[in-house]
Amino acid sequence: GIQVEQSPPDLILQEGANSTLRCNFSDSVNNLQWFHQNPWGQLINLFYIPSGTKQNGRLSATTVATERYSLLYISSSQTTDSGVYFCASSSYGNKLVFGAGTILRVKS
Amino acid sequence: DAGVIQSPRHEVTEMGQEVTLRCKPISGHNSLFWYRQTMMRGLELLIYFNNNVPIDDSGMPEDRFSAKMPNASFSTLKIQPSEPRDSAVYFCASRQTPTGAVQPQHFGDGTRLSIL
Repeated sequence: GIQVEQSPPDLILQEGANSTLRCNFSDSVNNLQWFHQNPWGQLINLFYIPSGTKQNGRLSATTVATERYSLLYISSSQTTDSGVYFCASSSYGNKLVFGAGTILRVKS
Repeated sequence: DAGVIQSPRHEVTEMGQEVTLRCKPISGHNSLFWYRQTMMRGLELLIYFNNNVPIDDSGMPEDRFSAKMPNASFSTLKIQPSEPRDSAVYFCASRQTPTGAVQPQHFGDGTRLSIL
């Protein structure tokens, strides 16, 4: 099945800094989603982005399907951005496969 | 609009007891998924349903686990008998799946299960 790898595994930022999280996937995908798991354990949908670029406030994401990667950009980071960021994708099916996540800690 | 609703939010029980987790998908969504999150294995799919029919249960760890979807607005995941290694966070997700298109999955807040 499809493999999903995320990098970096963990990241510490000073408040106000920018960051880029990467997700590599091993096969063609028909679904790619970015999630933020907050300290309460909730999985928050950030983007549904099997291809192209989307922006939502300080967050944006780009997926280059032909090169099998996706990037999540966080600008002007805030302490509330802390948590774990997951990338998940599926390859012509219903089964979302999750990466191991990037643990982000934003320090004030 | 209400999201995916899971209950209970937390469950603590003793080994050997039956555990039932419940999920109400978003109205109009016709696909439902059960996931489990552990430190060792991360987030993994257990089973999913399309139009109330189980499609793929290859992720169900063993016969102690069973899932049902008696109607479009309700699903259960049951563990009988429960064991300490079943302790995890269990998520339910739903999605609208129109023919020929893929839509994002929407997740509930999860059930944190502890088996003593």
